[in-house]
Amino acid sequence: DAGVIQSPRHEVTEMGQEVTLRCKPISGHNSLFWYRQTMMRGLELLIYFNNNVPIDDSGMPEDRFSAKMPNASFSTLKIQPSEPRDSAVYFCASSPGTGGNEKLFFGSGTQLSVL
Amino acid sequence: AQSVTQPDIHITVSEGASLELRCNYSYGATPYLFWYVQSPGQGLQLLLKYFSGDTLVQGIKGFEAEFKRSQSSFNLRKPSVHWSDAAEYFCAVGPSGGYQKVTFGIGTKLQVIP
Repeated sequence: DAGVIQSPRHEVTEMGQEVTLRCKPISGHNSLFWYRQTMMRGLELLIYFNNNVPIDDSGMPEDRFSAKMPNASFSTLKIQPSEPRDSAVYFCASSPGTGGNEKLFFGSGTQLSVL
Repeated sequence: AQSVTQPDIHITVSEGASLELRCNYSYGATPYLFWYVQSPGQGLQLLLKYFSGDTLVQGIKGFEAEFKRSQSSFNLRKPSVHWSDAAEYFCAVGPSGGYQKVTFGIGTKLQVIP
């Protein structure tokens, strides 16, 4: 089992550019989550998918952020246009079910720097 | 709304000493509680979880945590810390029903000195 795979590991871009982060969840997992981690705010849930359907996107900060899950094995988080305050580590996580007691499996994250 | 408080942002302990990391939660019913560990440059890894039964929960790497409903606490403990335990530790709370929205604490960074 390769675990949750995220790409790229590091992304440096200039303000105003489009950024796309990618995630491959663990095969067979029904739930996928995108989190953002910053020093000031800690780990924040951005969006949650269950069976490829977005269930809760209340954490998406603004319209510049969008996420898709076209199939069970792939998800993207896009920022357009990017701003320096978007600099953070973005984590993708998956879990096998939907219950509140499920273990989350995290990827290694994408370190995003917007200059 | 559920919330988690980790009052200690940074803790330093000597190798071989005991460790206790504090976590207090706010939730209207019996929650699911978790401790995760994050090593530098890595994602979070589950150490242990509690959702019912024995209030003392054993986890991986020699960690344990105790659920105390009266104090709304779920403190993480280890009797003897190893240098490899240096990492950031996150307490989290999840709802006992409905879809899974887990709320994480701000994290406690553990430094281990020789």
